[in-house]
Amino acid sequence: GESVGLHLPTLSVQEGDNSIINCAYSNSASDYFIWYKQESGKGPQFIIDIRSNMDKRQGQRVTVLLNKTVKHLSLQIAATQPGDSAVYFCAENSGGTSYGKLTFGQGTILTVHP
Amino acid sequence: EAGVTQFPSHSVIEKGQTVTLRCDPISGHDNLYWYRRVMGKEIKFLLHFVKESKQDESGMPNNRFLAERTGGTYSTLKVQPAELEDSGVYFCASSQQPNQPQHFGDGTRLSIL
Repeated sequence: GESVGLHLPTLSVQEGDNSIINCAYSNSASDYFIWYKQESGKGPQFIIDIRSNMDKRQGQRVTVLLNKTVKHLSLQIAATQPGDSAVYFCAENSGGTSYGKLTFGQGTILTVHP
Repeated sequence: EAGVTQFPSHSVIEKGQTVTLRCDPISGHDNLYWYRRVMGKEIKFLLHFVKESKQDESGMPNNRFLAERTGGTYSTLKVQPAELEDSGVYFCASSQQPNQPQHFGDGTRLSIL
């Protein structure tokens, strides 16, 4: 899902399905990317990161894919569970003199139905 | 290991008043960041400390906002005087290095009446 205006894209899946959340980033100079999960009333929680010298990285039940040619990032969640329901954000670190500054996408709402 | 802690969790003040937010980073993290999310918008960077020094304050909206990190441990963000458009959620994050994962606190929900 891509972010459009103020309305967050949504993704609804059934428990046990695989989920894919997409993100387009803006800066071709960005060299570090992070996916965060945010539950209601909580702060963003780190899920997985990837550097620009890689195109794929796997964690526990999650995989991040990076396509630098089209400036696209995706998060795949295997065997999605109700506890995965949250807002998911991608963030990019543009480097240069502002190294450390993260630029966030608007987020995607994931709803997992039991 | 304790995570990033922020205080208070909620603050409701009137326009024109002063509010100070506090952030305690993860122990040993030299890099501390402030972000905020105002209604309907994405999370936006405010500034970045390395120890007690401001590395990047390009996201600070105006001179009503003052961030400090005396001693390089906890940080405060003061808003004086508060305006209606300052309402939102203010997040603090910390990391060991700038190119490593930033870990966030649960934020301070600031409401200006």
